[in-house]
Amino acid sequence: GDSVTQMEGPVTLSEEAFLTINCTYTATGYPSLFWYVQYPGEGLQLLLKATKADDKGSNKGFEATYRKETTSFHLEKGSVQVSDSAVYFCALTHTGGFKTIFGAGTRLFVKA
Amino acid sequence: SQTIHQWPATLVQPVGSPLSLECTVEGTSNPNLYWYRQAAGRGLQLLFYSVGIGQISSEVPQNLSASRPQDRQFILSSKKLLLSDSGFYLCAWSVQGSQPQHFGDGTRLSIL
Repeated sequence: GDSVTQMEGPVTLSEEAFLTINCTYTATGYPSLFWYVQYPGEGLQLLLKATKADDKGSNKGFEATYRKETTSFHLEKGSVQVSDSAVYFCALTHTGGFKTIFGAGTRLFVKA
Repeated sequence: SQTIHQWPATLVQPVGSPLSLECTVEGTSNPNLYWYRQAAGRGLQLLFYSVGIGQISSEVPQNLSASRPQDRQFILSSKKLLLSDSGFYLCAWSVQGSQPQHFGDGTRLSIL
């Protein structure tokens, strides 16, 4: 069945450091890929998405590229801020589907 | 614009007591609706989803149940809570046949 694997956290970085959170997936066909972010005590929010191979999703300085050949969707940000501290979830769904497969989440701590 | 409301935000219940968590969506019609549970420091577990009034699909066997009495209302219930029911419960909605999902702020449930 479909699955999403994320790098284990927590990831601890200093402010202005470069961030990469790895995400790989297993799925048939061509799913859409998502990154969600969960701030402490809140629900998940969509951060960015990509719907086909080689698409790059971007938002708030974060970006991720849909790599079909490596089945990956790694999240990157050039310079993190303390306010980026949160849990990040990689996810996939199939076109027309009503279920989303979530990764286990990666907790990010950013120190001032 | 669409909004999703979950309540209560926090709930403390004794073992063996009943449970009712409510979720409502505004600004859209015939949404897909979802209940997830998130154990402390862990990922999301899909509990139930619904594609229409009165249509409930259960993902995992447990002592919880869900109902959808109206198009934009989704209720999570239990007749007798267990200690293992503690967690952070999230409701979400999506447009039919489409993603992403949009999450409420969650209910933190503690069982004593």
